[in-house]
Amino acid sequence: GNSVTQMEGPVTLSEEAFLTINCTYTATGYPSLFWYVQYPGEGLQLLLKATKADDKGSNKGFEATYRKETTSFHLEKGSVQVSDSAVYFCALSRPVSSGSARQLTFGSGTQLTVLP
Amino acid sequence: KAGVTQTPRYLIKTRGQQVTLSCSPISGHRSVSWYQQTPGQGLQFLFEYFSETQRNKGNFPGRFSGRQFSNSRSEMNVSTLELGDSALYLCASKETGADTQYFGPGTRLTVL
Repeated sequence: GNSVTQMEGPVTLSEEAFLTINCTYTATGYPSLFWYVQYPGEGLQLLLKATKADDKGSNKGFEATYRKETTSFHLEKGSVQVSDSAVYFCALSRPVSSGSARQLTFGSGTQLTVLP
Repeated sequence: KAGVTQTPRYLIKTRGQQVTLSCSPISGHRSVSWYQQTPGQGLQFLFEYFSETQRNKGNFPGRFSGRQFSNSRSEMNVSTLELGDSALYLCASKETGADTQYFGPGTRLTVL
């Protein structure tokens, strides 16, 4: 079946540090890959996505590249801010059956805390 | 466009009761999915509705059910509540044929 393995947290960084959160997946075919972010007391916000091999998703300084050969989609940011403190979820979406039905499979989430 | 909305935001129930949660998708989105988030199990898929039909279901007991209305609004129902049903219930919507799901703020259910 489909699965997503995400770097265990929590991760604590100083402001302006470089961030990497590792994510690897198991799935047949070519899933779409996503990073979602969850701030305290809120739902999930889409951070970025990639739909095919070698695609790079980017948003708000965050980037992730779809690596088919290593089945990975690691999240990176060159300089984190205190406001980036949140929980980050890696996820994949695969068709469930014919048609446009989709089901997201999530990693366990990584808590990021950025200190001033 | 307005985002996905969920009501109520918070609920407190006791064991054995039932509860109904509501979700309004982004305008034009006909697919609505529900997810349960708990500290122990993480984010788990409950079910997906499209055009008033359930077309995908996760591995949850029959106490968890849902429906979708002609305006794409969806409700989920949990009967005979158990302590373990305490969770954040998230609703997500997407456009037909698309991959990306957009989430609402969630309903925090506490079962006492």
